[in-house]
This record gives sequence, structure tokens and C-alpha cells, in this order.
Amino acid sequence: GAVVSQHPSRVICKSGTSVKIECRSLDFQATTMFWYRQFPKKSLMLMATSNEGSKATYEQGVEKDKFLINHASLTLSTLTVTSAHPEDSSFYICSARDRGQIGEAFFGQGTRLTVV
Amino acid sequence: AQSVTQLGSHVSVSEGALVLLRCNYSSSVPPYLFWYVQYPNQGLQLLLKYTTGATLVKGINGFEAEFKKSETSFHLTKPSAHMSDAAEYFCAVRAPNFGNEKLTFGTGTRLTIIP
Repeated sequence: GAVVSQHPSRVICKSGTSVKIECRSLDFQATTMFWYRQFPKKSLMLMATSNEGSKATYEQGVEKDKFLINHASLTLSTLTVTSAHPEDSSFYICSARDRGQIGEAFFGQGTRLTVV
Repeated sequence: AQSVTQLGSHVSVSEGALVLLRCNYSSSVPPYLFWYVQYPNQGLQLLLKYTTGATLVKGINGFEAEFKKSETSFHLTKPSAHMSDAAEYFCAVRAPNFGNEKLTFGTGTRLTIIP
């Protein structure tokens, strides 16, 4: 299957700082990428959908000014958590949809963010 | 709109026994259905998917699932559990169109294998 690389896998940051998470499709072009947040022992909550070259579409209740998403190319999307607080600590997962595949999204390995 | 319900947040089976993880869906259109597996601190890996055609779908690691429209179900099975099957399993549904249609996940089922 196609490979999605997410970096970093773990990050610890101080309250008030910003953290950037990268999501790359390594061997396919992803016109659409999705960002999820997963709380401990919980399911995935979709945060936003990003399309290459356009603004991301955020789900209801997700602060777009806090979670900045950029999808500048067909192989890269970034999520920046701005002015992080401890309650932002979570597991963040991206997925990318190969525009040549019907229905299948490939997932990155996730990023464990801890804000101290 | 689509939704999925996974019955049983925790399932325990003995090694070598049948694995059955339940998933029921709700969809206003013919759905695409997926099963994903997640190991600790990792992303999701696709086990299998149903889009159209044959209703019995075979996936990786010996798993299979059957789409039953009359029961709105897509249960995941494996004839003989292996210790390496211990993980979190998610059923997901989406509308069958190209583009931005998003996956809707169930709440997950944690599978434990008893030696």
C-alpha cells in the first residue's frame, strides 16, 4: 500500500509555544488530507480536511486559529498547534487519500504531543 | 449522513479461537465500509474494505468481513486468533463518492488474546 509519513512521532513542548507536525505522502499524490485527534482509549475525531492549494475545512468545534493547517503541495500537509496548552496534549494522526484510489485513505503513524 | 456502531468496546478470545468483532452501520446511500487496526502509539492500518461487488471481503492477516445490507452489518472475523492480533480495531464508513468524503469511525474495539 501507499506510505504516509508523519513527523515527528513524539514531541514535548512548553505551554505557549507552537508545534508543527508534518504529513507526507511518499509515493503518491494526495489531493486531500485529513487530520484527526485521538484521545486515550477513544476513537478518532476528525479535525479538518485539507485540499492542496486551498483553505482547510474545519469540523465544528475545532478552532482554526489554534490548529493551523497548510496543504501547500500534493505530498505535504502540516498541522501547527499554536500557543499550545496542556489540554492540547493528544495523539494526532493524518491521513491522505490517493486521488487514484477509490475510497481508501492511508494513515500516518501518528504524533504524540505532550504540552508541559 | 453515515454512522457506525461497534458493539463491545473490549473483546477477549483465546489463542486459536474465532474472532468476531461487530460493526453495524447507518447510511443514507450505499456505503463504503472499512476495518482498520491500530497498534499502540501507531497510526491506522487498513485491514479490508468493501466498496462494491462481492459482499465477502478478505483482508490481510487472515481477516475477512461480510457486508450484509439486510442487517446493515459489516462484522469482522478471523477463524483462529493469534497473539499478534491483539490491538484496537475500528470500523469506518463513508459515502461512495470521490473527493472530500470523510470517514466516520466507530468507537473502536480492543481485542485481547488470551494465551
